[in-house]
Amino acid sequence: GENVEQHPSTLSVQEGDSAVIKCTYSDSASNYFPWYKQELGKRPQLIIDIRSNVGEKKDQRIAVTLNKTAKHFSLHITETQPEDSAVYFCAAALGGGADGLTFGKGTHLIIQP
Amino acid sequence: EADIYQTPRYLVIGTGKKITLECSQTMGHDKMYWYQQDPGMELHLIHYSYGVNSTEKGDLSSESTVSRIRTEHFPLTLESARPSHTSQYLCASSGQNYEQYFGPGTRLTVT
Repeated sequence: GENVEQHPSTLSVQEGDSAVIKCTYSDSASNYFPWYKQELGKRPQLIIDIRSNVGEKKDQRIAVTLNKTAKHFSLHITETQPEDSAVYFCAAALGGGADGLTFGKGTHLIIQP
Repeated sequence: EADIYQTPRYLVIGTGKKITLECSQTMGHDKMYWYQQDPGMELHLIHYSYGVNSTEKGDLSSESTVSRIRTEHFPLTLESARPSHTSQYLCASSGQNYEQYFGPGTRLTVT
């Protein structure tokens, strides 16, 4: 089955700086890659996703890039703010995600004031 | 308001008891999912359903069972709870574009 590796496990950045979280996947047939943000005690929230027919997608301060050849994808957050502090999970799926998602272990992002 | 609802939100129960975790959605979605998440850890898929009368097992082996008699309802049952079942259980749903949205979760403690 699919295996997703996520790095780093903890990332501390100064407010206003950029943050990058990287994930690799094992199954070259995977074609859907969402990112979730989970604050303490809250449900995971979908923040951005990308499908395999696209190399990059951007939504305001958040962007995701996908390299299908290398089987890795990354989340980029620019101009970080205190409210960006949370655990971020990447995921990968076959068939657009209809059969469920395989998640990475998460990255705890800490925004230092 | 379109949302995913889970009850109970917190449950403390003794070993050997039968429990059912409820999940309902007003999103109008056909696909539904159950994930298990230990605190601070990744989510693991335990069950999913494409629609009414469809149920499939996920990647993580689980002693729980699910049913899908109504489109909006996807309950999860544990026939005999054990301490190893202590975890958070998250229900999710997705529609035509396959984007998955999560409910608030049920935090289960088995003593």
